[in-house]
Amino acid sequence: SQLAEENPWALSVHEGESVTVNCSYKTSITALQWYRQKSGEGPAQLILIRSNEREKRNGRLRATLDTSSQSSSLSITATRCEDTAVYFCATDANNNNAPRFGAGTKLTVKP
Amino acid sequence: DPKIIQKPKYLVAVTGSEKILICEQYLGHNAMYWYRQSAKKPLEFMFSYSYQKLMDNQTASSRFQPQSSKKNHLDLQITALKPDDSATYFCASSQDGTSYEQYFGPGTRLTVL
Repeated sequence: SQLAEENPWALSVHEGESVTVNCSYKTSITALQWYRQKSGEGPAQLILIRSNEREKRNGRLRATLDTSSQSSSLSITATRCEDTAVYFCATDANNNNAPRFGAGTKLTVKP
Repeated sequence: DPKIIQKPKYLVAVTGSEKILICEQYLGHNAMYWYRQSAKKPLEFMFSYSYQKLMDNQTASSRFQPQSSKKNHLDLQITALKPDDSATYFCASSQDGTSYEQYFGPGTRLTVL
């Protein structure tokens, strides 16, 4: 079974709008990662947030982590068409660093 | 220049045959991984290697065998191929087995007929 799950399953916004993807996870973690996968490419890590951190930023991206509710969010401001991709959260498992992925949120940014 | 090379990009095989998926990384990393992604399942962790030694194996079938001939190589041999093996296989690497910063290759898309 999956250790992490994103919601919603899909999102559609217009360029310039902000969007948030949520993630819930099932076990205690050392770190949570957000990845983006564009069509035909491998996943690319966007933000790594460790269990002792509550917020992390990377340009237009902001990730939060709430270990008490075992949840995380990824917000993207001023979206662009090139942000169209599937966004995954991933957690470590049993102190193994290899990330375990959720099913992803498909984000479409329209002109 | 691509830092993680996977070959071939596309692969078509017949049921029962054997194929080897190639992965080379030029990031100077010491840990490498294989993942599988299909329409039916999300990105699924298969193997992790650190300093050419197997660290974790989450693949139930012995038909999948990683092969590490060099520190920066981790190939994946798949025997007795089945249609259910059809998926895109991604190789990834990280500085070492404790790093949480993984870098993924472009994938090999395998279709088994």
